[in-house]
Amino acid sequence: AQTIHQWPVAEIKAVGSPLSLGCTIKGKSSPNLYWYWQATGGTLQQLFYSITVGQVESVVQLNLSASRPKDDQFILSTEKLLLSHSGFYLCAFSWGSYTGQLYFGEGSKLTVL
Amino acid sequence: GEQVEQLPSILRVQEGSSASINCTYENSASNYFPWYKQEPGENPKLIIDIRSNMERKQTQGLIVLLDKKAKRFSLHITDTQPGDSAMYFCAANSAGNKLTFGIGTRVLVRP
Repeated sequence: AQTIHQWPVAEIKAVGSPLSLGCTIKGKSSPNLYWYWQATGGTLQQLFYSITVGQVESVVQLNLSASRPKDDQFILSTEKLLLSHSGFYLCAFSWGSYTGQLYFGEGSKLTVL
Repeated sequence: GEQVEQLPSILRVQEGSSASINCTYENSASNYFPWYKQEPGENPKLIIDIRSNMERKQTQGLIVLLDKKAKRFSLHITDTQPGDSAMYFCAANSAGNKLTFGIGTRVLVRP
């Protein structure tokens, strides 16, 4: 069975500080990987997706960047956090040539103060 | 890009009754329409989905209908239980591996 693990579970960070969130997928090779952001009580906004190692496409600009250093790993980062970065960050995976069934990780809750 | 409208934003129902959520999309090329349920503090979980080659799909008290001409799809929860109280999101796919979500519907089931 496929598993998805996100870290950290929660972070409290200061405005202007750096951030790194991670996600690993186990159980199947070459998944499509995604980062989503959700404001408290809000909808799910797709940020990035990647269909292969080293290749990441940006969907919306939020002063964030993403990288896929390994087939099973997806990293979300920024050098300078803004207050607006607060929210719930969800990594997700799917397979196939189009967006099929999407499965989310447990999420990372970020609070920027 | 794709836009997905979802209504209502809040839905209060009596236990045992049915609940219906409606979504519309813009892109006629969209061919995959999933529904997610999200409990407070948890991740969204896929509960049912439908592809464009179907008009109706049913599983475990959930029914999804798709009207491609009207670009409309809906979720019907039959015989609602307190455990059905949650946020529900519809979504539609579009080019570029993108899945666009609706704003969500908070379903509250009164005992």
